[in-house]
Amino acid sequence: DAGVIQSPRHEVTEMGQEVTLRCKPISGHNSLFWYRQTMMRGLELLIYFNNNVPIDDSGMPEDRFSAKMPNASFSTLKIQPSEPRDSAVYFCASSPPWTDEQFFGPGTRLTVL
Amino acid sequence: SQQGEEDPQALSIQEGENATMNCSYKTSINNLQWYRQNSGRGLVHLILIRSNEREKHSGRLRVTLDTSKKSSSLLITASRAADTASYFCATDRAQKLVFGQGTRLTINP
Repeated sequence: DAGVIQSPRHEVTEMGQEVTLRCKPISGHNSLFWYRQTMMRGLELLIYFNNNVPIDDSGMPEDRFSAKMPNASFSTLKIQPSEPRDSAVYFCASSPPWTDEQFFGPGTRLTVL
Repeated sequence: SQQGEEDPQALSIQEGENATMNCSYKTSINNLQWYRQNSGRGLVHLILIRSNEREKHSGRLRVTLDTSKKSSSLLITASRAADTASYFCATDRAQKLVFGQGTRLTINP
């Protein structure tokens, strides 16, 4: 079975550019989570969806960040405009309805120059 | 602030030895989970222990939970080089997980 799929795996962009990160959760999972990991702040939850509906976006740093989940098999995290301090590894995770265990994707390493 | 705090931040031991990592948390929980992260990879779930459980085993892993002290420990027995990774505890809060900063474990051959 395919796990959580994220694309791209690496992204290098210049300050001010729009960045879109993509995630395909595991089929049958009804919760989806976006995290950001940095050395300074560790692993932070940005937003999570349940049945495609955003439940808690209190971790989204500012209005430059937005996330969507148009259907059960796809989610995007967009940063517009990007800034150097957004450089981090962004993880997507999904969870089935019968457990609190989360399944993580391989992450997208974002570098904003 | 982080719900879970791991201790120590870094641990280096010889292959074959046992490794113990600790996690403390602040508020009441329904369950506590441990995850492993290899360098450059996503987190992998290791074990979940519920608040009404005191100990759980999975292969070479043993997890304990003391809700009165709001603490948990992860023991890896007979460590192997492949156990080199960062280990995180995560506690549930309002349907989401809050992760600690992790313990970086190095197993020396």
